[in-house]
Amino acid sequence: AQSVTQLDSQVPVFEEAPVELRCNYSSSVSVYLFWYVQYPNQGLQLLLKYLSGSTLVKGINGFEAEFNKSQTSFHLRKPSVHISDTAEYFCAVSMEYGNKLVFGAGTILRVKS
Amino acid sequence: NAGVTQTPKFQVLKTGQSMTLQCAQDMNHNSMYWYRQDPGMGLRLIYYSASEGTTDKGEVPNGYNVSRLNKREFSLRLESAAPSQTSVYFCASTQIGFLGETQYFGPGTRLLVL
Repeated sequence: AQSVTQLDSQVPVFEEAPVELRCNYSSSVSVYLFWYVQYPNQGLQLLLKYLSGSTLVKGINGFEAEFNKSQTSFHLRKPSVHISDTAEYFCAVSMEYGNKLVFGAGTILRVKS
Repeated sequence: NAGVTQTPKFQVLKTGQSMTLQCAQDMNHNSMYWYRQDPGMGLRLIYYSASEGTTDKGEVPNGYNVSRLNKREFSLRLESAAPSQTSVYFCASTQIGFLGETQYFGPGTRLLVL
């Protein structure tokens, strides 16, 4: 069965510092990869996704992610975070009929001033 | 467009009680999903409906039933609630259900089972 591992449950960072949230997946077939963000007491919102083509994917709010097939990773990065980026971030993979998503456990990003 | 809406926003149940969580989307999407979110476990798929008239089990279907009432609505029913079903429930939809399509999520229903 496919799985998604988010290596950090919480990442504290100071405002304007860079951040990387790590995600690894297990699969021997082609995958489609997503990052979703959940602000407090809200639903999930798509940040970015990788379907094919360029391995560097740019999303909303200045986030980007790089797909690395050999390392089965899809890490999320932002060069300079803001207080408003404080949220929980979920990596997910879709590789089954019906576009069902398998989610990682989530990483809470806490941006401090 | 309201997107994906869910009712109620919050519910407290006693063990053994039943309830139905409602979900509706106004985006003319074909596929709809129910997930539960638990701390440290991310979201897990309970049931999904690839199109009107079809439903299939996901990863954690035990204790739940679903109904795809029409293209817009997809409800989740707990027949006899248990404390282990305390969770946040999210409904999502996607246009066709092809791999790689974006899923759009509702705001969630917070359920506490005592």
